[in-house]
Amino acid sequence: EVQLVDSGGGLVQPGGSLRLSCAASGFTFSSSAMNWVRQAPGKGLEWVSAITDSGGATYYADSVKGRFTISRDNSKNTLYLHMNSLRVEDTAVYYCAKVTTGYGTTFYDYWGQGTLVIVSS
Amino acid sequence: DIQMTQSPSSLSASVGDRVTITCRASQSISSHLNWYRQKPGKAPKLLIYAAASLQSGVPSRFSGSGSGTDFTLTISSLQPEDFATYHCQQSYSSPWTFGQGTKVEIK
Repeated sequence: EVQLVDSGGGLVQPGGSLRLSCAASGFTFSSSAMNWVRQAPGKGLEWVSAITDSGGATYYADSVKGRFTISRDNSKNTLYLHMNSLRVEDTAVYYCAKVTTGYGTTFYDYWGQGTLVIVSS
Repeated sequence: DIQMTQSPSSLSASVGDRVTITCRASQSISSHLNWYRQKPGKAPKLLIYAAASLQSGVPSRFSGSGSGTDFTLTISSLQPEDFATYHCQQSYSSPWTFGQGTKVEIK
């Protein structure tokens, strides 16, 4: 059974840092691209960052570029999101999501349960 | 960035009703359109990928159609567990973008 378990969220002051983790099991982690997606309270879903299966390429939304860093440890089956210079508008539930390709397109077939990040003074 | 617009933003329906939700892209995305259901306080769950392909394990009351810029998610007979928020998402070009969501509430 595929499982993604998100952790690391919490309350942090503006300008602070946090590291989120996503522990994966039930599939070949090192063969899957992974993403982070967030959802601000009462809002829609927003793509945050992506990383290829090997970790050789990373991508970021303009809103977090230069402040967030996505990484992975394939030996530990774990995805990370390092968040620096946090802003109030970064407050959201953060989900890790597994990327799969099928019928010529790509989609998120599994999601973590989410971890809440609150940026407030 | 490609903008995704869902309509309606919310709707009220009863168990057994047929429900249709529309998603429109700001430019052609071929069939690179996915649908997710999100229950309150839970993570989204994949329902439909590639506009019309049913994800394994998803009930057949869900169906998707469309290509280019206009897409539809249909629930043929609404069940209690379907009262939730539905999101469309394009994977045609980066950054992948989502619609604002459609909340299906109990009438």
